[in-house]
Amino acid sequence: AQSVTQLDSHVSVSEGTPVLLRCNYSSSYSPSLFWYVQHPNKGLQLLLKYTSAATLVKGINGFEAEFKKSETSFHLTKPSAHMSDAAEYFCVVSDHEAAGNKLTFGGGTRVLVKP
Amino acid sequence: ETGVTQSPTHLIKTRGQQVTLRCSSQSGHNTVSWYQQALGQGPQFIFQYYREEENGRGNFPPRFSGLQFPNYSSELNVNALELDDSALYLCASSSKGWGNYEQYFGPGTRLTVT
Repeated sequence: AQSVTQLDSHVSVSEGTPVLLRCNYSSSYSPSLFWYVQHPNKGLQLLLKYTSAATLVKGINGFEAEFKKSETSFHLTKPSAHMSDAAEYFCVVSDHEAAGNKLTFGGGTRVLVKP
Repeated sequence: ETGVTQSPTHLIKTRGQQVTLRCSSQSGHNTVSWYQQALGQGPQFIFQYYREEENGRGNFPPRFSGLQFPNYSSELNVNALELDDSALYLCASSSKGWGNYEQYFGPGTRLTVT
């Protein structure tokens, strides 16, 4: 069985400062990992994905994440937060070895950006 | 290219009633997955349909059922609604029913059960 733990339910940063969202995963197979963002009253948007290629993954809007197998982590970072980054972020693991590519979501991290 | 669309946007039902939610997949996609997102939580996988057949199911009771049509659009049906069924229901489409193909999400249907 696979699972995802997002270590912080809320993160507050000042505009222009770095953002770090922490994620640990558990998977029986070689996982695919994703970060999605959800703005209020909007659907989920894919930020980036890891699929066993480069361990440092670059995504949209200046976000990147590093896959560390030894630590079973996939933390999301951004060097400089923008007001538009205020949203809910989900770390996701895909069990694509089983029938169907079921996505398992973490509990989410709500990001607040202060001016 | 048309994205994933869902209808209706909002819905209010009474406990014990039945509800049908609809999803149109992104152009070129043949796989649809449904997720339930309770308030303050991450989405939970309900089931997936690939070429009109169920292709994986999460830990949801049989009163949650679905259909996929030849044009790959899909319905989620929930019978005997319970208060705990109040949630945002998300539909996602992808180009394959397996592997690490990206899933593209619709805006969701907000269901309130009173």
